[in-house]
Amino acid sequence: AQSVSQHNHHVILSEAASLELGCNYSYGGTVNLFWYVQYPGQHLQLLLKYFSGDPLVKGIKGFEAEFIKSKFSFNLRKPSVQWSDTAEYFCAVIANNAGNMLTFGGGTRLMVKP
Amino acid sequence: ETGVTQSPTHLIKTRGQQVTLRCSSQSGHNTVSWYQQALGQGPQFIFQYYREEENGRGNFPPRFSGLQFPNYSSELNVNALELDDSALYLCASSLDRTSNSPLHFGNGTRLTVT
Repeated sequence: AQSVSQHNHHVILSEAASLELGCNYSYGGTVNLFWYVQYPGQHLQLLLKYFSGDPLVKGIKGFEAEFIKSKFSFNLRKPSVQWSDTAEYFCAVIANNAGNMLTFGGGTRLMVKP
Repeated sequence: ETGVTQSPTHLIKTRGQQVTLRCSSQSGHNTVSWYQQALGQGPQFIFQYYREEENGRGNFPPRFSGLQFPNYSSELNVNALELDDSALYLCASSLDRTSNSPLHFGNGTRLTVT
């Protein structure tokens, strides 16, 4: 069974700092990869996804993620964070034969100080 | 379009009791997935229903059961509640069960078992 690891549980940044959140998965086959965000008091929302093609994918609100197959990684980045990016971020994976049943990582709670 | 709605928003139950959580899927969606999110953890897949049939199940005991109705709304039932069942229960609907059909999450039901 696949699993997803997010190594940073809590991250605190100042506004305008650069962000990189790590995500590694364990599955040897074809995967679809996702980042979801949960803003305080709101539901989980899709930030970006990777299915195939260009391994650098761009999402909403200036976020991007890079799929590195050899490292089983899908790290999330943003060049300059804003206070409004304060949220919890979840990496998720779907294995090739699992339809749209997601396996989530444990999440990273990001706090951006104004 | 109406989003995914879950009821109730909060619930307190006693160990050993039974609980039913409800989810109305987004208009036009025929697939509903349920996730359990314990405090400080990522969502864990419980099961998925597609056109009223269970389509997949995660590593949860049989006392977790579900239903999907002809209008594609869904229920999650948990029997013989245990303290560890305390969590946020998330429902997500999607157009279908394929991997490129994104999940739309509700705000969840917060269950506390005492």
